[in-house]
Amino acid sequence: NAGVMQNPRHLVRRRGQEARLRCSPMKGHSHVYWYRQLPEEGLKFMVYLQKENIIDESGMPKERFSAEFPKEGPSILRIQQVVRGDSAAYFCASSPSANTGELFFGEGSRLTVL
Amino acid sequence: KNQVEQSPQSLIILEGKNCTLQCNYTVSPFSNLRWYKQDTGRGPVSLTIMTFSENTKSNGRYTATLDADTKQSSLHITASQLSDSASYICVVSVMGYIPTFGRGTSLIVHP
Repeated sequence: NAGVMQNPRHLVRRRGQEARLRCSPMKGHSHVYWYRQLPEEGLKFMVYLQKENIIDESGMPKERFSAEFPKEGPSILRIQQVVRGDSAAYFCASSPSANTGELFFGEGSRLTVL
Repeated sequence: KNQVEQSPQSLIILEGKNCTLQCNYTVSPFSNLRWYKQDTGRGPVSLTIMTFSENTKSNGRYTATLDADTKQSSLHITASQLSDSASYICVVSVMGYIPTFGRGTSLIVHP
């Protein structure tokens, strides 16, 4: 049973480009969470999704950021027109049930904006 | 507002020594509390889960305690090893809400 898979592990973008980060949850998990972690900082909640639905996006910046979790395929975190401040590690976690704190994390995607 | 505070922010100890990390929370109503270990450059991994009725739980050299009355938890690491160097994150869950994360304690174990 594979764990949470994130790709790419490392992504370099120039300012103004788009970044797409993908997350495949563990088999049987229908709940996905995205977190952002700046260097030397804690994990900051961004968005919580179930299949085809955004449940809580209270941590998502209002502009340029979007997330989806389609019926088929991985969850996608999309950052448009990236800026240097978007440079961070983005972690995805999946859960078999809602809001129990039982989160299984991927290894993260590290975005560097030049 | 649900909050999770961890202390100390960072800690340096010598290999073989014991240490205790603290977690205070204001999350209510409480569902469970987990300690995660995050190695540098890796995703967090769950170490222990504590529910309301549990006071102590061990996982090898890691022992977590919970006092639901004072809303405090601790993670005790016995006979530390170099591989214990990591960030330790306290996460408190409330049914129906997103889990609340602490900022973590950065532990460095020196030989």
